[in-house]
Amino acid sequence: DQQVKQNSPSLSVQEGRISILNCDYTNSMFDYFLWYKKYPAEGPTFLISISSIKDKNEDGRFTVFLNKSAKHLSLHIVPSQPGDSAVYFCAASARNQGGKLIFGQGTELSVKP
Amino acid sequence: EAGVAQSPRYKIIEKRQSVAFWCNPISGHATLYWYQQILGQGPKLLIQFQNNGVVDDSQLPKDRFSAERLKGVDSTLKIQPAKLEDSAVYLCASSLFSLSGNTIYFGEGSWLTVV
Repeated sequence: DQQVKQNSPSLSVQEGRISILNCDYTNSMFDYFLWYKKYPAEGPTFLISISSIKDKNEDGRFTVFLNKSAKHLSLHIVPSQPGDSAVYFCAASARNQGGKLIFGQGTELSVKP
Repeated sequence: EAGVAQSPRYKIIEKRQSVAFWCNPISGHATLYWYQQILGQGPKLLIQFQNNGVVDDSQLPKDRFSAERLKGVDSTLKIQPAKLEDSAVYLCASSLFSLSGNTIYFGEGSWLTVV
């Protein structure tokens, strides 16, 4: 049972344009959502998070949007840079479940100069 | 501040052999996690410790995998005997608490190839 889904395995964007990465979830008990970025041969690095009491969180070029009714979140990167090329994982945690993260399958973003 | 440390970074073993991975979490972090990431998939939780107690090991294949965190700091993950399907990256992570809303920080991973 895949509770967190990233349906796009890959995304290619031109430098300077917007990158939009999507994530869907099924568990209504999830109350905290995170995005991680992973370069080859490295561990995932925390990027940005959002609590279920909010619908938007912004940090520099990165903005995460949460639509609870649709059980959908998205990560916007504006403007995209070649250094943003990496695999992006969406993750979620549920209240009363010890804080463990459930991850999506990842989306590989390629930003072309 | 030092991050999560893991060793070895890379390991190649034959099937049925054993292997052990070591992790040192961020100082002061009470919660430690071991995740398994198979190529093309997201990380999957194997085991979660709060100090030296196990919080969740429901996804740990206990017939071949074991983990311990004896003094509530360092942790070791062991696989014995290894199978071909155990080829993956083993990620150690830590956080301050075992609560939703807590950011989890990952190490660089230990890459295992079973041949």
